Amino acid sequence: GQQVQQSPASLVLQEGENAELQCNFSTSLNSMQWFYQRPGGSLVSLFYNPSGTKHSGRLTSTTVIKERRSSLHISSSQTTDSGTYLCALERTEGADRLTFGKGTQLIIQP
Amino acid sequence: GGIITQTPKFLIGQEGQKLTLKCQQNFNHDTMYWYRQDSGKGLRLIYYSITENDLQKGDLSEGYDASREKKSSFSLTVTSAQKNEMAVFLCASSIIGGANERLFFGHGTKLSVL
Repeated sequence: GQQVQQSPASLVLQEGENAELQCNFSTSLNSMQWFYQRPGGSLVSLFYNPSGTKHSGRLTSTTVIKERRSSLHISSSQTTDSGTYLCALERTEGADRLTFGKGTQLIIQP
Repeated sequence: GGIITQTPKFLIGQEGQKLTLKCQQNFNHDTMYWYRQDSGKGLRLIYYSITENDLQKGDLSEGYDASREKKSSFSLTVTSAQKNEMAVFLCASSIIGGANERLFFGHGTKLSVL
């Protein structure tokens, strides 16, 4: 089954609204990362090894390892925030590699 | 800062062809990765390498070969392209490899098979 589940699959908001993206894991994890991918572009790491709550500008990541979940909050969204947001987990066992979710496609309309 | 360069950006092949994708990084990172991204399926790991001449299989290694010729380069070969196959192949690198290390990605190679 899918070890990393992201919701929603897609989200359409008006500029200025806040976005909340969820990531749930079905397996134990060492840690996880959030990535952003602009349409047709490469992935950029937003948060890595976050536990608890971390902030980066308008972005906030909240991860509860014991509950196997993480959320990404984007405040006062802008059209340039549009793209795909992916979360990935590092499992507690196995080699040092990440398992990715399918992503949330975020569209911010002007 | 560093950069990861993938070549070519676009690759069009014929069914049954052997196709090679290249990746170079100047971060001096130890670990490099090849991922495949299909629409609606997220990223899946094909191969990774933790040092020069090392090769580790990912979840999707069947149908692919890879080679870590030197620390800065990691190439991926599609051994026999499948008809109507369309995907983006993403190369990445990290210092050691693991959740405490940030992954850096290239811009991808878009593959289309006629």
